[in-house]
Amino acid sequence: DTGVSQDPRHKITKRGQNVTFRCDPISEHNRLYWYRQTLGQGPEFLTYFQNEAQLEKSRLLSDRFSAERPKGSFSTLEIQRTEQGDSAMYLCASSLLGLDEQFFGPGTRLTVL
Amino acid sequence: GNSVTQMEGPVTLSEEAFLTINCTYTATGYPSLFWYVQYPGEGLQLLLKATKADDKGSNKGFEATYRKETTSFHLEKGSVQVSDSAVYFCAPTKGGSWGKLQFGAGTQVVVTP
Repeated sequence: DTGVSQDPRHKITKRGQNVTFRCDPISEHNRLYWYRQTLGQGPEFLTYFQNEAQLEKSRLLSDRFSAERPKGSFSTLEIQRTEQGDSAMYLCASSLLGLDEQFFGPGTRLTVL
Repeated sequence: GNSVTQMEGPVTLSEEAFLTINCTYTATGYPSLFWYVQYPGEGLQLLLKATKADDKGSNKGFEATYRKETTSFHLEKGSVQVSDSAVYFCAPTKGGSWGKLQFGAGTQVVVTP
């Protein structure tokens, strides 16, 4: 299967800890997106990369959040000093330049205790 | 600002019934329009799309027509099956050259035998 993969699928952490999630997009997809989805809601945009460049960040992305895509392939999303309000499903998607269709990974479910 | 309004769920139907899920949006410019589906325990999957006015997207018996004059993209299926039970998300792009998605809150559909 060459779809978008995310790791880990589930993460339980204590408040105040740091967590890091990884996303591997579909190979050759040069655009990569992170979204956050809370229960009963649609995904909300967090940030977007074109190749290794982070081109936009949502106001939802506080200073505790940082994302990287160092070589234009996989991406990491780090949350520092987690809070209970960070509990959500974190989704990664990728697409090809010039096409709007985004393909989503299975998500990482974060629970902050 | 930009927003997406979907009809609230859950929508409960009997097998072979007709399904309509309304979606209206506000957006600048000419967004591309998507419906995504999330089956229980699975990630978001692209269901269908339309990229310009009067285009009709279709897949798996579902259809939606890009109505620019009413800024709507209603999803329809003539005869639903139990396997269509899922949450459906309307998602126009938010404009701009790279197609950030803005999602509705989702509509849960439950199809009973």
